[in-house]
Amino acid sequence: QSVLTQTPSVSGAPGQRVTISCTGSSSNIGAGYDVHWYQQLPGTAPKLLIYGNSNRPSGVPDRFSGSKSGTSASLAITGLQAEDEADYYCQSYDSSLSGVVFGGGTRLTVL
Amino acid sequence: QVQLVQSGAEVKKPGASVKVSCKASGYTFTSYAMHWVRQAPGQRLEWMGWINPGNGNTKYSQNFQGRVTITRDTSASTAYMELSSLRSEDTAIYYCARRQETDAFDIWGQGTMVTVSS
Repeated sequence: QSVLTQTPSVSGAPGQRVTISCTGSSSNIGAGYDVHWYQQLPGTAPKLLIYGNSNRPSGVPDRFSGSKSGTSASLAITGLQAEDEADYYCQSYDSSLSGVVFGGGTRLTVL
Repeated sequence: QVQLVQSGAEVKKPGASVKVSCKASGYTFTSYAMHWVRQAPGQRLEWMGWINPGNGNTKYSQNFQGRVTITRDTSASTAYMELSSLRSEDTAIYYCARRQETDAFDIWGQGTMVTVSS
């Protein structure tokens, strides 16, 4: 059972917009800790997609955006492309566990 | 370029230990925390712990307390993760990841597959 809850799967057609949610609690996201998002393509290591809730590292397309409100965070992907098909993970810090926590992951399927 | 290169795949028997290395290049090794994350087949990412390469201080996940040891060799710009008392559930890909100032993991190693089987 993950401390951060993500919908197991989402799907969308090319060109569409999808959102992936990450729900936490008062000891992690709700406590003010930042949320980061990673993209994991099949058979590869995770890649940082969004840091500090809404910031994109250099090289990440602006089709990807992040937001945070209360005890939840969201990753939005617009203009879906076939190469976006991957697993997406949110990450934060939990004060009760005194450690890093990840969401359970969301598999994005591009129809 | 900035990169983390991990050691190769391992096959271990239950009860044994495994030590995975992670060599950093392209940046000052002692300036960034190094974390370890594992991923069992088809499963989520699981945080294991981290080390401050500058002073050697460590912090471990409660889930691995007592079984994991993270060390570093600053002269070799290399971090190590040793997991003991291996069981089949420890079969996973083990990643090292550099933590940037914002607490996100900006650079990841390629992963090391550890298989525990009798």
